[in-house]
Amino acid sequence: EIVLTQSPGTLSLSPGDRATLSCRASQSVSSGFLAWYQQKPGQAPRLLIYGRSSRATGIPDRFSGSGSGTDFTLTITRLEPEDFAVYYCQQYNNSWTFGQGTKVEIK
Amino acid sequence: QVELQQSGPRLVKSSQTLSLTCAIFGDSVSSSDSAWHWIRQSPSRGLEWLGRTLYRSHWHYFYAESVKGRITIKPDTSRNQFSLLLNSVTPEDTAIYYCARNLRPDFDFWGQGTLVTVSS
Repeated sequence: EIVLTQSPGTLSLSPGDRATLSCRASQSVSSGFLAWYQQKPGQAPRLLIYGRSSRATGIPDRFSGSGSGTDFTLTITRLEPEDFAVYYCQQYNNSWTFGQGTKVEIK
Repeated sequence: QVELQQSGPRLVKSSQTLSLTCAIFGDSVSSSDSAWHWIRQSPSRGLEWLGRTLYRSHWHYFYAESVKGRITIKPDTSRNQFSLLLNSVTPEDTAIYYCARNLRPDFDFWGQGTLVTVSS
């Protein structure tokens, strides 16, 4: 089973800042099989990015995904108030696993 | 637009069976493109994939090793829904349970989540 490790655990930023979230895999992940989700309190995760870098329907272009192999990144170019949430990466390689999450909080 | 609506008891006693249902709107449980999953979330285990079913000329099932032997996912074509049965539960099975769909390796639609508490 592939283990995903996200860093940092918490990111304290201000609206308008750039956020860079990391997801590291214990073994190589096919780029087509890496996704990112946003979760707010009391809600289900919401798909942001699939196939490493494709935005899901309705996701604004300030969200972008990149990386390959074992290192992947989610970037939010200018944080809006509604972007403060927890973010998870997820991979598929015979089975599905998730990272433990990065919380983006208001500084 | 796909919508998944979950239902089921929120309190289960230890050693009994947890049972949840996910009703599908805007897609079909027997779709040749979609797959139907159960995922849970707890503070101790994070997001944990449990299992999935899909129909490709016949029904296929795939379960996580962590719950294999205790889990069954049952599709119901007459009601266009699928269910999760998890038996011999313990307090460690207390979690928010989600149903979800995938077309690709990611999950594009999720149910609203059900917090299930297992009492000892």
